[in-house]
Amino acid sequence: AQRVTQPEKLLSVFKGAPVELKCNYSYSGSPELFWYVQYSRQRLQLLLRHISRESIKGFTADLNKGETSFHLKKPFAQEEDSAMYYCALTGPGGYNKLIFGAGTRLAVHP
Amino acid sequence: KAGVTQTPRYLIKTRGQQVTLSCSPISGHRSVSWYQQTPGQGLQFLFEYFSETQRNKGNFPGRFSGRQFSNSRSEMNVSTLELGDSALYLCASSLVGGGDTQYFGPGTRLTVL
Repeated sequence: AQRVTQPEKLLSVFKGAPVELKCNYSYSGSPELFWYVQYSRQRLQLLLRHISRESIKGFTADLNKGETSFHLKKPFAQEEDSAMYYCALTGPGGYNKLIFGAGTRLAVHP
Repeated sequence: KAGVTQTPRYLIKTRGQQVTLSCSPISGHRSVSWYQQTPGQGLQFLFEYFSETQRNKGNFPGRFSGRQFSNSRSEMNVSTLELGDSALYLCASSLVGGGDTQYFGPGTRLTVL
């Protein structure tokens, strides 16, 4: 079955510290993987996707097919990074059916 | 461009009633997807509509249904409401699909008493 696992419900770091939000997936095929973010009182929005290979707001994520992981990283956390982060993949049927992980709340302290 | 809008933002219903939620996609977007978000189950895909046709469906009972109109606006309906249907219902729109970014609305908070 297709599944996304985010093992940490909460990740708490200090400003300037490196951040790694973990995401592991189970999928029979070649998935399309995404990170979505929800800031306080804002809508869920796309942060980045693996095919773009972009760095958004200093975040990067590398798809590791061997370990079936898509961890989100940032070398120096900022207070404005505090938010809920969801890892997601496309399920069967195409890109518009997203399977989400449970989410990790990132709290960046001053 | 205006973002995805959802109405109403809040709803309170009682068990056994039915409810209709509405989603207006970003202008020009033809695909609308619906998700249910609960503390216990997280974000779960309900269904997706494209050009007035249901293209994908999640694992929800038949009480959950939807439709899309020719202007791409979409509605979802839940009949015979149960307490467990209390959730935040999100819709997302995208241009066509197949890799397009999905843009989410603010959600409709449904409470079933």
